[in-house]
Amino acid sequence: DADVTQTPRNRITKTGKRIMLECSQTKGHDRMYWYRQDPGLGLRLIYYSFDVKDINKGEISDGYSVSRQAQAKFSLSLESAIPNQTALYFCATRDGFSTDTQYFGPGTRLTVL
Amino acid sequence: AQSVTQLDSQVPVFEEAPVELRCNYSSSVSVYLFWYVQYPNQGLQLLLKYLSGSTLVKGINGFEAEFNKSQTSFHLRKPSVHISDTAEYFCAVTTSGYSTLTFGKGTMLLVSP
Repeated sequence: DADVTQTPRNRITKTGKRIMLECSQTKGHDRMYWYRQDPGLGLRLIYYSFDVKDINKGEISDGYSVSRQAQAKFSLSLESAIPNQTALYFCATRDGFSTDTQYFGPGTRLTVL
Repeated sequence: AQSVTQLDSQVPVFEEAPVELRCNYSSSVSVYLFWYVQYPNQGLQLLLKYLSGSTLVKGINGFEAEFNKSQTSFHLRKPSVHISDTAEYFCAVTTSGYSTLTFGKGTMLLVSP
């Protein structure tokens, strides 16, 4: 089984709808990250969390919110989706105490019509 | 704040030819540098990293990179590419303390027969 899972893998929604993307990990890592990937722009950080009570904004947090429900779960919400938020979204995890490597999930492809 | 520039958005190359993917960074403090690879329809995985020590770093699948502090570069090389190396490659930088990674915009390596 994959260590970092994302649900759903694909989602098509309409402008104005609320949508939640979920990330779960079995690696026992304390740090979790949400990125979006757009063609030609690379990966940009949306939010990150160092533990359940520590949530931080990234480079492009406007229009997004997050929830760290448990050490293993980190959800990204779009309160009112807009077409500009059509992108590939990745969750990543890292053990802040012992490794410098971020481990990525398979991604969620979101289309906002 | 740190930044990363990947000078080529696409690099076409024939199978068994050598390749170099360029990465330059900007930072006022010491850095840690990474190369990640994204195969089609997959998440990112770590290819190699430079934290300290030897400036020539070897990674998976025959790739290597050299950290050049004076030129603020961390170019990725492979002496002979395979069709299976077709993927997008991302250079990333962080500083000691390592709160977040900053990614470049990516370089698509296209290997043809």
